[in-house]
Amino acid sequence: DIVMTQSPDSLAVSLGERATINCRSSQSVLYSSNSKNYLAWYQQRLGQPPKLLIYGASTRESGVPDRFSGSGSGTDFTLTISSLQPEDVAVYYCQQYDDAPFTFGGGTKVEMK
Amino acid sequence: EVQLLESGGGLVQPGGSLRLSCVASGFTFSDFAMSWVRQAPGKGLEWVSAISGRGTYTFYADSVKGRFTISRDNSKNTLYLQMHSLTAEDTAVYYCAKQSGFSSFSSNDYWGQGSLITVSS
Repeated sequence: DIVMTQSPDSLAVSLGERATINCRSSQSVLYSSNSKNYLAWYQQRLGQPPKLLIYGASTRESGVPDRFSGSGSGTDFTLTISSLQPEDVAVYYCQQYDDAPFTFGGGTKVEMK
Repeated sequence: EVQLLESGGGLVQPGGSLRLSCVASGFTFSDFAMSWVRQAPGKGLEWVSAISGRGTYTFYADSVKGRFTISRDNSKNTLYLQMHSLTAEDTAVYYCAKQSGFSSFSSNDYWGQGSLITVSS
């Protein structure tokens, strides 16, 4: 199974400042046939279901603010919130969908400082 | 508008069985893979199972393999999760999620509100 490791477990960021979340997979999730990384990022606010933010490691889902961006390839990925807003307080998860079981990272809790 | 409505959750005794349903609307159900993801109280997300658009291919987490069965009825726009031999470790909110493609190798672009299953005597 592919193990997804997120860091940090939590972080506190001031309003308008940058938040950076890392995700590492135990093996590459880059599908060589199409050169796509099978990596998604989700946001889960308290008491809500998860919401898809990023797929293919770097493609923003429709309607997601452009302050959210994803980067990385192979085994190392990053989710960046360029200017933290109050509504961004949530837990963020990465997930690989390259190989079943389609495992999630442990989550990163983002709080306002 | 895509909607996913789970039902069938509740309290079940250890060793018992339960079937979850998820009725989908707002998209052509048979064109998309579907999955179940669960979340134990206060814990992170755990992927459980996925099924391709026509139901040809199914996948399971090791923790549920042999005990859970995912299926779908495309004529009823409904996804199912049949669960047997439930233990306290299966206590969680179970989310139904639509995948973004016909294949299970895709992200989950829409999620239901979840159905709570509590396994306790």
